[in-house]
Amino acid sequence: QKEVEQNSGPLSVPEGAIASLNCTYSDRGSQSFFWYRQYSGKSPELIMFIYSNGDKEDGRFTAQLNKASQYVSLLIRDSQPSDSATYLCAVNMGGGADGLTFGKGTHLIIQP
Amino acid sequence: DAGITQSPRHKVTETGTPVTLRCHQTENHRYMYWYRQDPGHGLRLIHYSYGVKDTDKGEVSDGYSVSRSKTEDFLLTLESATSSQTSVYFCAISEGEYYTFGSGTRLTVV
Repeated sequence: QKEVEQNSGPLSVPEGAIASLNCTYSDRGSQSFFWYRQYSGKSPELIMFIYSNGDKEDGRFTAQLNKASQYVSLLIRDSQPSDSATYLCAVNMGGGADGLTFGKGTHLIIQP
Repeated sequence: DAGITQSPRHKVTETGTPVTLRCHQTENHRYMYWYRQDPGHGLRLIHYSYGVKDTDKGEVSDGYSVSRSKTEDFLLTLESATSSQTSVYFCAISEGEYYTFGSGTRLTVV
């Protein structure tokens, strides 16, 4: 069964520090990897996606992908209280348009 | 969310009744999806569509059917609702790697 695994948390990080969120996936054929943020009672919002091994930066966010280890992570620099949310890792396992497979999410709390 | 709306936003229904949830998009995207989100399970794919009248099953399709007679509308039907179908249902559309989610429908089956 194709799976995406995340630590459910909560992960508590002081304001201004770096938050590190991790995700592993089971299907080696996966081609694209996504991070979504979801506030309580709201819909998921795309933060960024990554295709290639290495790092991809967008503002305070950096996604890291290691296909050999089947591992993807999200770093949030200078964490703000507004970053407190659930972060969902998602993988396009088939490489096509048959939907994303999501992890269960990590609950992040930024402590002021 | 811009370009994608779900209706109703909230619904309470009785066990055994049929229920239809609607997803409407104004983006003319080819691909549409229905997910459910439950505590401890995350988002799980129910059904998806890759064009008018073209649909396929996802991970948790039992008890659900879908229809897409127009590009803009994707309907999810629970033929006979059960308490295990109490959930938050999200519709999504995609263009390339960009998936956009609707605001969700909170369905309670009593």
